[in-house]
Amino acid sequence: GAVVSQHPSWVICKSGTSVKIECRSLDFQATTMFWYRQFPKQSLMLMATSNEGSKATYEQGVEKDKFLINHASLTLSTLTVTSAHPEDSSFYICSARRGDLHMQYFGPGTRLTVT
Amino acid sequence: RKEVEQDPGPFNVPEGATVAFNCTYSNSASQSFFWYRQDCRKEPKLLMSVYSSGNEDGRFTAQLNRASQYISLLIRDSKLSDSATYLCVALDNAGNMLTFGGGTRLMVKP
Repeated sequence: GAVVSQHPSWVICKSGTSVKIECRSLDFQATTMFWYRQFPKQSLMLMATSNEGSKATYEQGVEKDKFLINHASLTLSTLTVTSAHPEDSSFYICSARRGDLHMQYFGPGTRLTVT
Repeated sequence: RKEVEQDPGPFNVPEGATVAFNCTYSNSASQSFFWYRQDCRKEPKLLMSVYSSGNEDGRFTAQLNRASQYISLLIRDSKLSDSATYLCVALDNAGNMLTFGGGTRLMVKP
């Protein structure tokens, strides 16, 4: 089966610092990766779509300068939360799509707490 | 109006009960639909795809009604391990974007 990993699985940082989250497809090449955010008792909300070798497409209301996405290879996308604030505390989940198949495979998520 | 709407629950049912979840979607161009299961503090996991003809996987039956833009999930003979949040998900017509419903929480009690 397709496996997607995320690192770190949880992180606590101070307000104003930046945090990088990695999403890797371990056994397949992912032309497209997606970044979601989930606040407590809410559903997943798509933040951005990341295509290998091109700029990410951000959903409405998501600041591209705050949430930097890099998809430099077919197996790795990174999300950097810059100048994090407590309201950025959330569960960040990535998913990867294999080739032209519609199925998305989800990573285990990264729990970010900003103090 | 949310694109995919679900009753948030919680549904509290005894073991062995049959429980049904409903979901409606607003984008008539959505191409495919799925039910995902999400346990607390975990990523969502695909439970099953949903087809107009209806599909069954063991104790789980999913149904899609395109005319009414309505999706259902039926769980028979509930187990304690079925306790989770069930997410109704629509895939856009370009096959790119998944839109998640708010989820329905199920708690199966002994």
